[in-house]
Amino acid sequence: QVQLQESGPGLVKPSGTLSLTCDVSGGSITMRNWWSWVRQTPGKGLEWIGEIYHGGRSNYNPSLKSRVTMSVDKSKNQFSLRLTSMTTADTALYFCATEGLDHAYFDSWGQGILVTVSS
Amino acid sequence: EIMLTQSPATLSLSPGERATLSCRASQSISTYLAWYQQKPGQAPRLLIYDASSRATGIPARFSGSGSGTDFTLTISSLEPEDFAVYFCQQRINWPPWTFGQGTKVEIK
Repeated sequence: QVQLQESGPGLVKPSGTLSLTCDVSGGSITMRNWWSWVRQTPGKGLEWIGEIYHGGRSNYNPSLKSRVTMSVDKSKNQFSLRLTSMTTADTALYFCATEGLDHAYFDSWGQGILVTVSS
Repeated sequence: EIMLTQSPATLSLSPGERATLSCRASQSISTYLAWYQQKPGQAPRLLIYDASSRATGIPARFSGSGSGTDFTLTISSLEPEDFAVYFCQQRINWPPWTFGQGTKVEIK
């Protein structure tokens, strides 16, 4: 299994932009097709934010699509999430995750990073 | 968007007992369903994919069944480390991929 590690700020101001990075180790980012971001809140549970192909194509949750951008940096073996116009409703534990070698479910996860939206 | 409804919300059982968890989809998802286990402070862990295939390293006491709209995760004999929250997730209809709200298996 690959290992994933999220990094980024733990605090974002309302109306600000969240930028998170997921470092991939234990293999090349090209060893899996799709790389995802998932967030978790006590109220809404687990919510899939979107996914990006190692070649750069992306798919986003329609509920967040207008505010989300994902990118991949093969040279650094990492992928990133950018979420704009943050509100308190975006306070959550953010995970990066990827699929297995022989299936497309979330087989490897980062430990998660808690992001709080507050002034 | 496909909704997944899990029941019960909480299951109170003793070690050694059998646990039966349910996940119902708002429309047919064939067998494109996974089950995850999550313990406090940890990321979810994949247990079952494609409704009935155990993920790598998952003990045989975990089994999944179902197709269409009704799915079941069974833990044949609960071990102390099995007390956790369990989520189902569909992967047939996107966007978005969706998760159930979870079932907490607690010690009775």
